[in-house]
Amino acid sequence: DTGVSQDPRHKITKRGQNVTFRCDPISEHNRLYWYRQTLGQGPEFLTYFQNEAQLEKSRLLSDRFSAERPKGSFSTLEIQRTEQGDSAMYLCASSFMETQYFGPGTRLLVL
Amino acid sequence: DQQVKQNSPSLSVQEGRISILNCDYTNSMFDYFLWYKKYPAEGPTFLISISSIKDKNEDGRFTVFLNKSAKHLSLHIVPSQPGDSAVYFCAASDSNTGKLIFGQGTTLQVKP
Repeated sequence: DTGVSQDPRHKITKRGQNVTFRCDPISEHNRLYWYRQTLGQGPEFLTYFQNEAQLEKSRLLSDRFSAERPKGSFSTLEIQRTEQGDSAMYLCASSFMETQYFGPGTRLLVL
Repeated sequence: DQQVKQNSPSLSVQEGRISILNCDYTNSMFDYFLWYKKYPAEGPTFLISISSIKDKNEDGRFTVFLNKSAKHLSLHIVPSQPGDSAVYFCAASDSNTGKLIFGQGTTLQVKP
């Protein structure tokens, strides 16, 4: 399978804990995007990378959120001191041209 | 402000008939538009896209129409099949960043 992969698929954590998600894009794709989706809404943009450079961050991305793409390949999204409002589906997508291809997502539940 | 809107939360059609899903946008800087299909607990699956220099793009049973003056696009599925039942999202982007702005989604149910 050469699509976008994400790990873990599900994460349950207690409020105040830190969590980290991983995304492996399609290998030849230079752009990588993170989105968040809550129930009944469309995905919302969080941040994106072109190769290893983080080029834009949404105002949705508070200082508790940090994302990296150290070698321009896989990316990690870390949430520190999780809050119940962080519960959502976190989606990763990659692209070479205009079309983005999404991974299966990581569903986070903060208790 | 909601830059991309899908005003119909749900749509129900009979198998074999045409499904028409609509989407409106407000930002004239958008130059690329996409439709995604999503099943519960899965990521969005790309269906079809259209550049702002075109007004129609067709791929099998799926056709997307773009009316730039009205800032409106639509997805036609014909003939509709029960397996098409899912949530459909339209999305728009500008070529500078490529980040997608999504609508709220329309749940399509195709009845056998």
